[in-house]
Amino acid sequence: GAVVSQHPSWVICKSGTSVKIECRSLDFQATTMFWYRQFPKQSLMLMATSNEGSKATYEQGVEKDKFLINHASLTLSTLTVTSAHPEDSSFYICSARTLSGRAGYNEQFFGPGTRLTVL
Amino acid sequence: QKEVEQNSGPLSVPEGAIASLNCTYSDRVSQSFFWYRQYSGKSPELIMSIYSNGDKEDGRFTAQLNKASQYVSLLIRDSQPSDSATYLCAVKNTNAGKSTFGDGTTLTVKP
Repeated sequence: GAVVSQHPSWVICKSGTSVKIECRSLDFQATTMFWYRQFPKQSLMLMATSNEGSKATYEQGVEKDKFLINHASLTLSTLTVTSAHPEDSSFYICSARTLSGRAGYNEQFFGPGTRLTVL
Repeated sequence: QKEVEQNSGPLSVPEGAIASLNCTYSDRVSQSFFWYRQYSGKSPELIMSIYSNGDKEDGRFTAQLNKASQYVSLLIRDSQPSDSATYLCAVKNTNAGKSTFGDGTTLTVKP
């Protein structure tokens, strides 16, 4: 249980285009999903917290107009990188939190990640 | 001071040894504690969660929590080369909407 999928797993795009990444919780309902970005050999960086049916909460320094997050249902959240540039190339990982897990609660499960390369 | 601190490593142990990974946190009202394993180029994988003081064992992994000292650790017994990865500590308090992650400790198990 507690499987999170992401699509696509990798994407290459031209500078200036927009890219949408989907995150789905496959076997549980996730009222809260998180979007992270990770550059090579660096730590996870939380970009935003997404709650179903409400606006996402962005971390300081993350442009909400550039990284559009939609959490339309209890099993789906999307991140759209608008007008992507080479500096946006990174590993984007979503995570969904369970209300009750196999051993407890508040467990957070990660999707496999999306590797974005902007040319 | 970071909210969640881990030794960055790298930590190197021989195959079969015990690997000890440590994590301290600053928020006293933290109630949920997690250890994740992240292989290079992959996303983190939850391996242990602990909520009460004391030890929790799962196979070769033991998590230890000491809320008074604000300290949580992960022991890996009989370390294998396949355990070589970065281990992330995460902490959450009831009122927070998010877990706070440490920067991770890189473990290398040498055959």
